[in-house]
Amino acid sequence: AQSVAQPEDQVNVAEGNPLTVKCTYSVSGNPYLFWYVQYPNRGLQFLLKYITGDNLVKGSYGFEAEFNKSQTSFHLKKPSALVSDSALYFCAVRDVGGGATNKLIFGTGTLLAVQP
Amino acid sequence: NAGVTQTPKFRVLKTGQSMTLLCAQDMNHEYMYWYRQDPGMGLRLIHYSVGEGTTAKGEVPDGYNVSRLKKQNFLLGLESAAPSQTSVYFCASSYSRGLMNTEAFFGQGTRLTVV
Repeated sequence: AQSVAQPEDQVNVAEGNPLTVKCTYSVSGNPYLFWYVQYPNRGLQFLLKYITGDNLVKGSYGFEAEFNKSQTSFHLKKPSALVSDSALYFCAVRDVGGGATNKLIFGTGTLLAVQP
Repeated sequence: NAGVTQTPKFRVLKTGQSMTLLCAQDMNHEYMYWYRQDPGMGLRLIHYSVGEGTTAKGEVPDGYNVSRLKKQNFLLGLESAAPSQTSVYFCASSYSRGLMNTEAFFGQGTRLTVV
């Protein structure tokens, strides 16, 4: 079954330190993987995606993510956190390929809190 | 370029009432999705559509119906609203394929309260 897991409800990090938000996935076919960010009372904004090619993908606002097929993971990273990065982050996966449902499934979200 | 537009933005319903949420996109996307967002639950897929005239069930379809009569519109209906359907509803759309344009674009959400 298609699923996405974000094991941490909240991640706390000091400003200037590196941050990692974890995501693992399960699909029957090939995955399209995405990260989105949501600020309070707003819709979701796209950050980055992995479709194919280089396992390290770079996105908006200095974020990057590494696709690891053997560990079925797609962790979000940033070398130096900013207070303004504090928000709710969602990982999502779309199951593609032969026989795939093409559903776009989201994780439960991880609240990132960056302390000054 | 409006992107994805949801109407209404806010609504209060009484238990048993019906309503329809409208999602419109102007990007010629094939795929459209309806989600609900509840605290601690993330975004859960209600129904989705991979093209005009087709719909499919998501993770939590019970109590909802959808229609995609036109490519640009995806309607979500609640026939008999229940307090458990109090939530924030998001619509999204995306292309079906293509390396550059597969991410989903979201509307601003509809906050629905059922009393």
